[in-house]
Amino acid sequence: EAQVTQNPRYLITVTGKKLTVTCSQNMNHEYMSWYRQDPGLGLRQIYYSMNVEVTDKGDVPEGYKVSRKEKRNFPLILESPSPNQTSLYFCASSSSGTVNTEAFFGQGTRLTVV
Amino acid sequence: DAKTTQPPSMDCAEGRAANLPCNHSTISGNEYVYWYRQIHSQGPQYIIHGLKNNETNEMASLIITEDRKSSTLILPHATLRDTAVYYCIARGTSYGKLTFGQGTILTVHP
Repeated sequence: EAQVTQNPRYLITVTGKKLTVTCSQNMNHEYMSWYRQDPGLGLRQIYYSMNVEVTDKGDVPEGYKVSRKEKRNFPLILESPSPNQTSLYFCASSSSGTVNTEAFFGQGTRLTVV
Repeated sequence: DAKTTQPPSMDCAEGRAANLPCNHSTISGNEYVYWYRQIHSQGPQYIIHGLKNNETNEMASLIITEDRKSSTLILPHATLRDTAVYYCIARGTSYGKLTFGQGTILTVHP
């Protein structure tokens, strides 16, 4: 089954403790991205990757890092999480970034930073 | 990408057609109209997209006006599981990025 898998689904952590949210897709997609969703602000893109070893900032990249060493994986790294990074996070993938391709989203990771 | 405008909420009776409108009056010729939905904090789910012609798939139909300034997503026989936030997105210039607005909260009631 074609899918985007995120882990963990829920995470509560303390300020400053490094964490990684994993994202994996099994569709051989080139384009992957991370979004965060906050009440009243909608979904905003954090980082994206057009292919292996090619990543770039989205609209809200501060406080996050990503890497794309393999095509299927696109982890999101919070080196020193802060309470304002408490949010619902989604990973997405598509065959390419062109306008005629649909995106597939993971089931989400709800992160709470205390 | 062109701005889209949707009503904040709509109701629909189970078994009836749900018609969700979207205004995109500034859409340019190469921008596609996409629809996604999000069921209760799950990941957004792709529904359908189109450029000029009407489109239909197993989930829904997309009707785009001839001037392309508005469109309607039609769920032909709404069920309770179709209760969700529906997002209309005009997508043209932004490589890969989807710009989600506030969407329409569709509530399907028995």
